[in-house]
Amino acid sequence: DSGVTQTPKHLITATGQRVTLRCSPRSGDLSVYWYQQSLDQGLQFLIQYYNGEERAKGNILERFSAQQFPDLHSELNLSSLELGDSALYFCASSVGQDSPLHFGNGTRLTVT
Amino acid sequence: AQSVTQLDSHVSVSEGTPVLLRCNYSSSYSPSLFWYVQHPNKGLQLLLKYTSAATLVKGINGFEAEFKKSETSFHLTKPSAHMSDAAEYFCVVSQKDYGGSQGNLIFGKGTKLSVKP
Repeated sequence: DSGVTQTPKHLITATGQRVTLRCSPRSGDLSVYWYQQSLDQGLQFLIQYYNGEERAKGNILERFSAQQFPDLHSELNLSSLELGDSALYFCASSVGQDSPLHFGNGTRLTVT
Repeated sequence: AQSVTQLDSHVSVSEGTPVLLRCNYSSSYSPSLFWYVQHPNKGLQLLLKYTSAATLVKGINGFEAEFKKSETSFHLTKPSAHMSDAAEYFCVVSQKDYGGSQGNLIFGKGTKLSVKP
């Protein structure tokens, strides 16, 4: 068990809808990262937060947004969903910059 | 810019035989390199990490990897495969020159390891 909790485990929704994915980092970890894993694109870094502030941005679409709250949990909001957004979304956390990432088990999003 | 290439998308070995998963990287700077493992329906778990200390890195579950700068390789090996090793393995390079943020990890496409009884 990595200590990183993601909810929900599965999400099925229709095109055009909006969903929120939630992540609770490991106790003591200040950094939270979001990744998207799909069959065609592989594992893609979306965004990183450190202690509530955005630290780095990757291949995140404008329809997607994220935030990290004072209690350090994070939410990834996906809006105007398209079929191509169907993927496994992972959250990871770490203590600091050169520390290993600890991944949650992911949220599987299916857009129909 | 950094990149990482995993040379095999699928490797199949028999239980008890050696495992070799190949990875080549491209980096303008001294890279940090990692191997992660993903079991079905699970998140990724760190196997081992290279950060310019010893070139031979030992990880969990008997895996190790050797950093070879002259060959720009970071192959993952294990002397004897176990059934529980069946999983997908990712070679990862850190974009260390981009402010050092570990969020900028570049993942390889993954190598699926099958272990036959």
